[in-house]
Amino acid sequence: SSELTQDPDVSVALGQTVRITCQGETLRSYNADWYQQKPGQAPAVVIYGENQRPSGISDRFSVSKSGNTASLTITGTQAEDEADYYCKSRDASGNVGLFGGGTRLTVL
Amino acid sequence: QVQLQESGPGLVKPSETLSLTCSVSGASMRSHYWSWIRQPPGKGLEWIGYFSYSGRTNYNPSLDSRVTISVDTSKSQSSLRLRSVTAADTAVYYCVRGLFYDSSGFLFDSWGQGTRVTVSS
Repeated sequence: SSELTQDPDVSVALGQTVRITCQGETLRSYNADWYQQKPGQAPAVVIYGENQRPSGISDRFSVSKSGNTASLTITGTQAEDEADYYCKSRDASGNVGLFGGGTRLTVL
Repeated sequence: QVQLQESGPGLVKPSETLSLTCSVSGASMRSHYWSWIRQPPGKGLEWIGYFSYSGRTNYNPSLDSRVTISVDTSKSQSSLRLRSVTAADTAVYYCVRGLFYDSSGFLFDSWGQGTRVTVSS
């Protein structure tokens, strides 16, 4: 069955650059979107498609893709970037809502 | 700016039907894809399904046999019904608006605050 795999936990020093990855065979055919969720809040999209960011989202967030792996990169990580990050794409049947397991980003 | 607000019982008994409503303001429901997503306690996100502006439904295969999503455009509401619930259906349920942003990319662009549902006798 289709699945997207993320590292459960990633940490980064304040001001440094961090990459969060998402692996899955369907990423060879589809782009991934990335959602940020802070404690007690609903998720919100931070970047989608080919580096498209909603209004108000910092350009410190960028994405790339190679083969079956999509990556979210945060440059100059700030304390407010500490959150859970979920990638989302499509499954092998084309259904739109395949989520990765999430990555908890800790800013040291 | 679209706003979505979930409502419904916070406690449902095992084997019964979970029913939630999402009230939408600030946008017409005659466009976009009106979706539900859930998140069990301490776990990740699971897409439940959507009802499209054209009246088509698409459900997560793992829930397809138990779920119905509908939209009442006259009331600006989306509804979720999940039958035969068990403790595994305990989660925060989010009402979410979706859209295609290119030929294959699909985005969940607006989320409700979520409503917690516990399945317990």
